[in-house]
Formats: sequence, C-alpha cells, structure tokens
Amino acid sequence: GQQVMQIPQYQHVQEGEDFTTYCNSSTTLSNIQWYKQRPGGHPVFLIQLVKSGEVKKQKRLTFQFGEAKKNSSLHITATQTTDVGTYFCAGKPSNTGKLIFGQGTTLQVKP
Amino acid sequence: NAGVTQTPKFRVLKTGQSMTLLCAQDMNHEYMYWYRQDPGMGLRLIHYSVGEGTTAKGEVPDGYNVSRLKKQNFLLGLESAAPSQTSVYFCASSYQGATEAFFGQGTRLTVV
Repeated sequence: GQQVMQIPQYQHVQEGEDFTTYCNSSTTLSNIQWYKQRPGGHPVFLIQLVKSGEVKKQKRLTFQFGEAKKNSSLHITATQTTDVGTYFCAGKPSNTGKLIFGQGTTLQVKP
Repeated sequence: NAGVTQTPKFRVLKTGQSMTLLCAQDMNHEYMYWYRQDPGMGLRLIHYSVGEGTTAKGEVPDGYNVSRLKKQNFLLGLESAAPSQTSVYFCASSYQGATEAFFGQGTRLTVV
C-alpha cells in the first residue's frame, strides 16, 4: 500500500543547533504538507508544497519537495525551545482522496 | 467560528461495547478524515470522505464504520470495541483534497 516514511523518530538538540526531518513516499505525491503538533495538542498546518523541486521558507524553517515528488524535508535553523513538538509530513498520493501522514519526528530542545 | 469539533473528548469503554464519535465542521469543507494516533505510529488514516454521502477506507479501517449523511458531520462508529482500539482519535477536514487540513481537538478513547 501507499506509505509515507519519516525519519528520525526522535531528535534531541541543544538550543541553537539545527534540526532536519526527512520524509519519503513509496508513490508519487500530488503535494506534500507539513504539520506541527505540540505536546497534548492537535496537528496544525505549517505549509504545503506542490511543485517538483519547490523550496519554501518560513523564518527559520525551510521546506523542500524533491524533484521526483516522492521526498521532502523540513530544516530548522538555530532551534529555540518554542520549536518543541512533533513534526509530521503528509502526502496526497496522486489520484486518491487520501491524506497519508508520516510517523512524525519528535523534537526536544534543551535550553 | 468553531472550526472542527469532536465529541466526546474522553471516553472509557468496556470490551464489546459500541460507541459513535462525532465530528462536526462549520467551514463547508468537502473532505473529512478520521485518524488514530498511537505512540510511535504517527497518524493513521481510518476512513475518509470526499463529499456528502461518500466514504472510503483508509489504511486501518477494520473494526470501524463511518457515515457522512450531512456535509458538516462525519461519524466514526465502533460496533464492538477492543483494547487494541485504545487510542487518540482525530478528525480533520479540508476544503479540497489538496488544501490544508484542519484538525479537531481529539478524542481519547480507552477500551478496558
């Protein structure tokens, strides 16, 4: 079946260090979305990428969509304690109505 | 504007009991989804709907049924609850399949 894999599962960093999470799909995606879930909360939409090779930035966050539209990454520069949470990628396989989530990467930031 | 509302927020069931989780959205969204979240497993899609009167299976549909009789509501049913269905359930909706999904606050279900 269609799968979206995300690594790493956990990441502990010192405040100020960079952080990257990677997302890979077994099938071509029509788009990739990224969400953040704070502890005890619900997923909140961050961004969507649609075009092959697309790169978008939100302040310290950089999102990339691979050329083959099967992989994506989220990079956070100079992490802060407010970045703590679980980051999920979610993909919509072509020609389906499904929105499939990766397993998520939980980020801990030590002050 | 309430967004996506899930009821109940917490529930404890005995094995074999049935229940229905209600998801309501007031954004006139076409797409609605039910996910379960378990530690280390991320969000797994149970069922989804692309419009009123339509439903489709997701990744883990066994043991669950859904209905979308009204556009604003998406119901998730457990006919005979099992301990393996202990989880946090999230409902989400989106305007179209390729737009951002808005999530409810979640329902924490424990089956004993």
